[in-house]
Amino acid sequence: ETGVTQTPRHLVMGMTNKKSLKCEQHLGHNAMYWYKQSAKKPLELMFVYNFKEQTENNSVPSRFSPECPNSSHLFLHLHTLQPEDSALYLCASSQDSGLAKNIQYFGAGTRLSVL
Amino acid sequence: DQQVKQNSPSLSVQEGRISILNCDYTNSMFDYFLWYKKYPAEGPTFLISISSIKDKNEDGRFTVFLNKSAKHLSLHIVPSQPGDSAVYFCAATSNNAGNMLTFGGGTRLMVKP
Repeated sequence: ETGVTQTPRHLVMGMTNKKSLKCEQHLGHNAMYWYKQSAKKPLELMFVYNFKEQTENNSVPSRFSPECPNSSHLFLHLHTLQPEDSALYLCASSQDSGLAKNIQYFGAGTRLSVL
Repeated sequence: DQQVKQNSPSLSVQEGRISILNCDYTNSMFDYFLWYKKYPAEGPTFLISISSIKDKNEDGRFTVFLNKSAKHLSLHIVPSQPGDSAVYFCAATSNNAGNMLTFGGGTRLMVKP
């Protein structure tokens, strides 16, 4: 148990659906991250929030919409996705996003399949 | 173009022997490096890190070596145990980038009993 919980663990959705991924951390951290891991590709950073403010958007298409209502919760709202968006989506948290030495703690991920 | 590369997708080692996992990077601005371990159905967990001011960092059975001139780092596990079987990810960042990690593609380590 890393202290970072992601739900759901698995999600299948059609291209016209709207769904949301949820991440919750119980570590008292102030920074939260979304990563995408496609098959046979490295983890790619998508978004970073530090003290509830978005500090990084790594050129992510607008069909992915993050939301960070407080430092403990992070959402990724999905709409009109494409089959190539099928991947493992990982959430992480750290004390803050300013220092490289702040270890990131990851959730187990949501395996998303877009049909 | 991948800035962090792990050229060996898999590695098989006998229990008790040394495991050596390699990682190369291209961005000379990177000055902080990390290794994460991932078991199936779990998220990556932090293993060990090294700053560019050092060339070696050791934590128990795990040692990371950094060769800045070659832009290469390696993770040594001695002795290897079956429980070490997992996917190992190398990651890098720069102090300017804070905690924005760039990951390699991972190496699957299998330690045979």
